[in-house]
Formats: sequence, C-alpha cells, structure tokens
Amino acid sequence: EDQVTQSPEALRLQEGESSSLNCSYTVSGLRGLFWYRQDPGKGPEFLFTLYSAGEEKEKERLKATLTKKESFLHITAPKPEDSATYLCAVRNTNAGKSTFGDGTTLTVKP
Amino acid sequence: EAQVTQNPRYLITVTGKKLTVTCSQNMNHEYMSWYRQDPGLGLRQIYYSMNVEVTDKGDVPEGYKVSRKEKRNFPLILESPSPNQTSLYFCASSAGTGYHHEQYFGPGTRLTVT
Repeated sequence: EDQVTQSPEALRLQEGESSSLNCSYTVSGLRGLFWYRQDPGKGPEFLFTLYSAGEEKEKERLKATLTKKESFLHITAPKPEDSATYLCAVRNTNAGKSTFGDGTTLTVKP
Repeated sequence: EAQVTQNPRYLITVTGKKLTVTCSQNMNHEYMSWYRQDPGLGLRQIYYSMNVEVTDKGDVPEGYKVSRKEKRNFPLILESPSPNQTSLYFCASSAGTGYHHEQYFGPGTRLTVT
C-alpha cells in the first residue's frame, strides 16, 4: 500500500525566513510525485510534478526536489501570501490511483 | 475558462436520503476522480475513471457509487448516506495519468449528514 507522510504538520515562519517542507513516500512504482497548494475553503492547485530522483523544479519562491524516498519543498524568503496548506501526492504504476499526504499548513507572519 | 465545477457546494441531509453530487469539466479530460477530505486524514480517493464507461475503486469506496456515461461528467452517488460520510468532497480531472498530468480540482462540496 502506498504511503505519503508530510512533516511538519504545521510551520510558522516570519516573512523572509526560509525553510523546507518534507514529503516521505513509499510507492509501488512511482509514476509521479506532485505538490499542490490548498487555500482555506478551496480545492488544491497544482504546483509541481517530479518524476526522477535528482529532479528539481522552481517557481518564484518555491523549489521542489526529489530523491528515491522523499521530496522537499523549499521556500525562500516567504511572504504572507505564501500561507496555505501544501499537499504532496504520489501516483503509482496503477495510474489511476493517487495517494495524498495530510499536508503541511504554512503560516507566514509579516 | 478551464474549470471543474461541482454542485451543490453545500448540502445538509438526513441519514438514508439518497443524494447525488455532480461534477463536470470543460477541458476534455480523460481522467476524473473523487476524493474526500477529513481533518487529520488528508485527501482520500473514493473512485476514479480513466475514460467513459471505465470506473474503478479508490481507497475508500464503501457507501459510494459513480458513473461515467459522458466524458465531461462524473457524478458521485450516495444511495443511503450515513453520518460518517459527513465530509468535504472534491472532484478532480486530468488530461491523462502520466507523470506530467496534474489534476485540476473543483471547489469542493461540503456535505453534512445528520
């Protein structure tokens, strides 16, 4: 059974204070690791997809990296508008199935 | 505008009264899926559909039914809702199931079963 564990559950940062979110996974054949952002009362929105160990993707203040066992979402000099819940998900070789982690709720104080 | 729509957005019902939550996408996506989100349990997959007339169970299918008669629509049916199905439900779609095919999510349906 696929498993995704995200840590920490919650993270409070001061504006400009960089940090990382962790996503550890076990999957029967990785067909893609996905990061989503979810704002309160809304559906998740896609951020990144990673497939190969060593792969990195960047978007503004966010950078996602992937190893064979985990993925990190690095946030550089965050702003209050980066406050949200960040979800990690894996898709396995049974391509229809997706497994999500519980998410990390990030709060950035001005 | 490319989007996934769900209706209703909010629903309060009683135990045993059949209900349907509709989901529609306008992106001609092959793949659609339903999830429920509960505090401390994250997003859990209920059912998914790889194409028209093809559906399969996710991790928590008990108590739910789905159908995919048209490409754009994927309704979620609760034949006899129970209080443990009180949750926030999301429909999602994607162009395919490759590693580069991200899911697009609807705005959610908050269901309360009393």
